[in-house]
Amino acid sequence: KAGVTQTPRYLIKTRGQQVTLSCSPISGHRSVSWYQQTPGQGLQFLFEYFSETQRNKGNFPGRFSGRQFSNSRSEMNVSTLELGDSALYLCASSLYYGTGDYGYTFGSGTRLTVV
Amino acid sequence: KNEVEQSPQNLTAQEGEFITINCSYSVGISALHWLQQHPGGGIVSLFMLSSGKKKHGRLIATINIQEKHSSLHITASHPRDSAVYICAASDSNYQLIWGAGTKLIIKP
Repeated sequence: KAGVTQTPRYLIKTRGQQVTLSCSPISGHRSVSWYQQTPGQGLQFLFEYFSETQRNKGNFPGRFSGRQFSNSRSEMNVSTLELGDSALYLCASSLYYGTGDYGYTFGSGTRLTVV
Repeated sequence: KNEVEQSPQNLTAQEGEFITINCSYSVGISALHWLQQHPGGGIVSLFMLSSGKKKHGRLIATINIQEKHSSLHITASHPRDSAVYICAASDSNYQLIWGAGTKLIIKP
């Protein structure tokens, strides 16, 4: 079965612009989580969506937002980009909300560079 | 103090050596995950443990709930095992708390 698909793989944006990243989970998975990875901060949780509802949110400013569609595909949006937003953005899908006894499957990530 | 701590931070070994990466956590967990990240960023979930031991090929993961400690072992290490290995704990709200990762380099 197809894995988790993130698009685009690479992106270069200018400070002040906004960006939308997409994540298509494994077919049948209803939960999508987003993470930001930077060299200095490691992996940090952004938010998790399940059945089109945001279930949990990490400690990020309101410039970071997301949504999930009825087909479980998710998008995250970052407005008014800052240099510090340059990072690898990873999404992970799982069958249900929260991992519980179920694992995550990660996408390959979108590498965002803000110049 | 981080809630999930990994050691060592960096590890370089010769091909064939037995590798151990350790993870200690201070929170109550529902599960402990080991993940592998190769250069370029892709993350692969290796194991999810809530007790005992799991084995997959040359990889073995163990967890001691009482001691709040988990280990990832690689037997007969190979240069293709070179990657960053990350341990992450699912807390009681099922959120992942990440360790800082261990960068492993296996030299031929």
